[in-house]
Amino acid sequence: GENVEQHPSTLSVQEGDSAVIKCTYSDSASNYFPWYKQELGKGPQLIIDIRSNVGEKKDQRIAVTLNKTAKHFSLHITETQPEDSAVYFCAAKLSGYSTLTFGKGTMLLVSP
Amino acid sequence: NAGVTQTPKFRVLKTGQSMTLLCAQDMNHEYMYWYRQDPGMGLRLIHYSVGEGTTAKGEVPDGYNVSRLKKQNFLLGLESAAPSQTSVYFCASSYGGHSKNIQYFGAGTRLSVL
Repeated sequence: GENVEQHPSTLSVQEGDSAVIKCTYSDSASNYFPWYKQELGKGPQLIIDIRSNVGEKKDQRIAVTLNKTAKHFSLHITETQPEDSAVYFCAAKLSGYSTLTFGKGTMLLVSP
Repeated sequence: NAGVTQTPKFRVLKTGQSMTLLCAQDMNHEYMYWYRQDPGMGLRLIHYSVGEGTTAKGEVPDGYNVSRLKKQNFLLGLESAAPSQTSVYFCASSYGGHSKNIQYFGAGTRLSVL
């Protein structure tokens, strides 16, 4: 099955700095890569996703990049704000399957 | 529009007791999932369903059973709870599974087994 590695496990930045979270996947047949944000005491919520036929996608301050050759994808958050503090999960979906494999998560702390 | 609702929110069990966690969604989604979240382990899939009357095993199914008798509900059962099942349980649903598979999560159930 698919295996997703996520780094770092914790990330501390100052408000206004950029943050980057990286994930690698093992199966080249994966074709969909979402990112979820989990705030304290809540369930995860999708913030951005990318399909394997796209190299980069942006939505305001967040962006995701995908390198299919190297089998890794990254989440980029610019101009971080305290409300960006949360746990972020990457995931991958194998083509033809209906389940996601999640990374272990990154706790992002943005200090004012 | 409530989305995905999980009950109960908290529960404490003694080893050997049984319980059922209920997940209800009002988005007419075909696919539903049960995950457990443990510190440093991320989200691990327990069981899932691709439609009413269907269930399938995920990554960590042992010790759990599920049922999907109605499209909007997905039940997770623990027949004989063990301390290793202390965790936060999340239910999720999605409209489709084979394309983008955008999953919508409930707020979670925190379970402690003593």
